[in-house]
Amino acid sequence: DQQVKQNSPSLSVQEGRISILNCDYTNSMFDYFLWYKKYPAEGPTFLISISSIKDKNEDGRFTVFLNKSAKHLSLHIVPSQPGDSAVYFCAASPIRHTPLVFGKGTRLSVIA
Amino acid sequence: EAGVTQSPTHLIKTRGQQATLRCSPISGHTSVYWYQQALGLGLQFLLWYDEGEERNRGNFPPRFSGRQFPNYSSELNVNALELEDSALYLCASSPTGGTEAFFGQGTRLTVV
Repeated sequence: DQQVKQNSPSLSVQEGRISILNCDYTNSMFDYFLWYKKYPAEGPTFLISISSIKDKNEDGRFTVFLNKSAKHLSLHIVPSQPGDSAVYFCAASPIRHTPLVFGKGTRLSVIA
Repeated sequence: EAGVTQSPTHLIKTRGQQATLRCSPISGHTSVYWYQQALGLGLQFLLWYDEGEERNRGNFPPRFSGRQFPNYSSELNVNALELEDSALYLCASSPTGGTEAFFGQGTRLTVV
């Protein structure tokens, strides 16, 4: 049973436009949510996180939105740049300092 | 500051053999997590070590095992290798009480 779902395997966006990556979860005990970016032949790198007490967190071009009632979160990248092309993973955990549960990832391609 | 380091980068084994993968966490981090990323799948949680103890394991058979040493480095052992064990194995570390996991570049295990 997949607790964290990223239903779009891929997304293509033009440079300068907004990229929106979506993630749904089923476990209502999840309290902390993270996004990771992964380039080929590298490990995932942490991008941004949000706890369940917030509905928005912003860091530069990256904003994560959390809708707890819908069990849905999204990552917005504005403006998108070619260097953003990577696989993005959504992850969640019930409490701090426990293993993260990951989605299958969405491959983002930013076209110049 | 050095990041999470994994060795070897690539490993080729024959079905039935044993594989040993190694991980050195970021200095000061006490938790080590192991994940498997098989083709087309997300990151599947394997094992969690903290302060030398196994804290949790994912839904993998007992032939996947490991340990954490007093210096917090870790080893993942896979016995009786099967073709389906071919995957990227990622190690991550986090500080005590932290949730963001910092990943190494992974070990690509190929079973032939």
